[in-house]
Amino acid sequence: EPEVTQTPSHQVTQMGQEVILRCVPISNHLYFYWYRQILGQKVEFLVSFYNNEISEKSEIFDDQFSVERPDGSNFTLKIRSTKLEDSAMYFCASSELQPDTDTQYFGPGTRLTVL
Amino acid sequence: AQSVTQPDIHITVSEGASLELRCNYSYGATPYLFWYVQSPGQGLQLLLKYFSGDTLVQGIKGFEAEFKRSQSSFNLRKPSVHWSDAAEYFCAVVRGAGGSYIPTFGRGTSLIVHP
Repeated sequence: EPEVTQTPSHQVTQMGQEVILRCVPISNHLYFYWYRQILGQKVEFLVSFYNNEISEKSEIFDDQFSVERPDGSNFTLKIRSTKLEDSAMYFCASSELQPDTDTQYFGPGTRLTVL
Repeated sequence: AQSVTQPDIHITVSEGASLELRCNYSYGATPYLFWYVQSPGQGLQLLLKYFSGDTLVQGIKGFEAEFKRSQSSFNLRKPSVHWSDAAEYFCAVVRGAGGSYIPTFGRGTSLIVHP
């Protein structure tokens, strides 16, 4: 069964450093998403991406964040200058059709630790 | 704004016992409702979803959920729990047609299964 993959599984970085989290969505999917989950808290939406542009973003997704689909398979989340509060599990998801009716498939997540 | 409440942070049941996980939502119209499961080290997996029609929804792994409009609830049930069901369970709501399609997640309920 096709699945969403994410690399790395765990990323440790120093405060102020840039990180790039990588995702490979399911191949025929058109909609892509990033979520985060701070330890012990709920899963929060960050951004959705369709047709090579951001279609919706949350208040969390400020200028420090950016997303990109650099080629036909990868979908990346970049944090320019990490802060301690960026420490969280980051989930990528994808769906074939528009997300209000279609199932989003989630990756296993990348645990980001900012020291 | 829509919100989701999962009042139980932890639930402990014995293997073979029945299970009910509670979810209440706050939204004026009928939203789209989802239950996800997250096993340790894994991403979120969709158990079931409700958009319209029959208010009792069957999902994977023997789970079902019932939408009760009068109570603004979408509780997840399973008649006989297996040890492999131990995981984190998340309820999510999407506004649906005409509104944002981005899900709002509850804080999650951790299910512990005793042998």
